[in-house]
Amino acid sequence: KAGVTQTPRYLIKTRGQQVTLSCSPISGHRSVSWYQQTPGQGLQFLFEYFSETQRNKGNFPGRFSGRQFSNSRSEMNVSTLELGDSALYLCASSLDYQNTEAFFGQGTRLTVV
Amino acid sequence: GQQVMQIPQYQHVQEGEDFTTYCNSSTTLSNIQWYKQRPGGHPVFLIQLVKSGEVKKQKRLTFQFGEAKKNSSLHITATQTTDVGTYFCAGSRLSNYQLIWGAGTKLIIKP
Repeated sequence: KAGVTQTPRYLIKTRGQQVTLSCSPISGHRSVSWYQQTPGQGLQFLFEYFSETQRNKGNFPGRFSGRQFSNSRSEMNVSTLELGDSALYLCASSLDYQNTEAFFGQGTRLTVV
Repeated sequence: GQQVMQIPQYQHVQEGEDFTTYCNSSTTLSNIQWYKQRPGGHPVFLIQLVKSGEVKKQKRLTFQFGEAKKNSSLHITATQTTDVGTYFCAGSRLSNYQLIWGAGTKLIIKP
């Protein structure tokens, strides 16, 4: 079956702009989590959605937001981009939120100039 | 807040030597998962440990979960070039199952 699909794969934006990233989970998976990864850094948790509800949120400013649709697809939005937002944004899907493995997408590489 | 500390940050080994990474949580976990991220790739699930004191093996990889369900380790015997990458542990909170990630250990094979 198809894996987790993230679009776009690469993105270049200018400081101050906003961006929307998309994630299509594995069919049947209802939980989607988002992470930010910068070079040499671990995975910084952004938020987690399950059945269209945000279950958990990481320590990121309000410029970072997300949502999940009824078909489990998820989007994250970053407004007023800053240079420090340049990173790999990874989406992971799971069957549900309880003790199940996470399947990651290839990520979206965002560069803010 | 709840943290999962992972050490070391880097480990340089000669091919054929062993490798170990350790994770320690400040609180008891529901379970712990291990992932591997190859250079330029995305994290890939390796295994999940659920029971206190659990030990699981996958070929040359041995995973352990502590008796108190607060710590875990991954040991690779006789490393090969294919083992290169960053290994992450992720502990699941008892209260809400949120995964708390370690910072990762990068395995580097010396030329």
